[in-house]
Amino acid sequence: AQKITQTQPGMFVQEKEAVTLDCTYDTSDPSYGLFWYKQPSSGEMIFLIYQGSYDQQNATEGRYSLNFQKARKSANLVISASQLGDSAMYFCAMREGGDNKLIFGAGTRLAVHP
Amino acid sequence: DVKVTQSSRYLVKRTGEKVFLECVQDMDHENMFWYRQDPGLGLRLIYFSYDVKMKEKGDIPEGYSVSREKKERFSLILESASTNQTSMYLCASKWQGMNTEAFFGQGTRLTVV
Repeated sequence: AQKITQTQPGMFVQEKEAVTLDCTYDTSDPSYGLFWYKQPSSGEMIFLIYQGSYDQQNATEGRYSLNFQKARKSANLVISASQLGDSAMYFCAMREGGDNKLIFGAGTRLAVHP
Repeated sequence: DVKVTQSSRYLVKRTGEKVFLECVQDMDHENMFWYRQDPGLGLRLIYFSYDVKMKEKGDIPEGYSVSREKKERFSLILESASTNQTSMYLCASKWQGMNTEAFFGQGTRLTVV
């Protein structure tokens, strides 16, 4: 079974609008962490935001926020006020329990239009 | 500044060759990882190492081996390269803490002909 599912292969958004990128996960461990990364066309992986399973509040980092719904096992990334530079691949990843390895989803390609 | 360096950005190798991909980190991280990235499949874990000389198989270890003789260096070895190993390979490293992110190298695009 897929541990991390990103159901949107591609998304479009108009500049200055908000966009939500979906991520659902599958784990039976009560302790886990969720990460979002951005990969521009240049190829580097840029860490964006982290959410721990025991965190009481949704994580936020500048224009990035996580809509964390634990019961639904979803951790959607919200990008507010999209910019042209936000055009990239976005990956959701999870680590479980005491394990340090990260398991990634298939990614979502976001295109921001002027 | 945090740095994970992969030895090559682009590599072209022949079928059957033994291929070494090298990765060095300068952050004293305990954990190091090798992923391959293919369109539509995301990043898939090949191997990871949580300490010197320690390694664990990831999801797709077949056809690969690894070596970690020093803490800062993690090598991925393709014993006999095949065309289906043509891919982007990404190395990453991470501290032991649960909420710490992984830092990635710039990637090596390997083509096996």
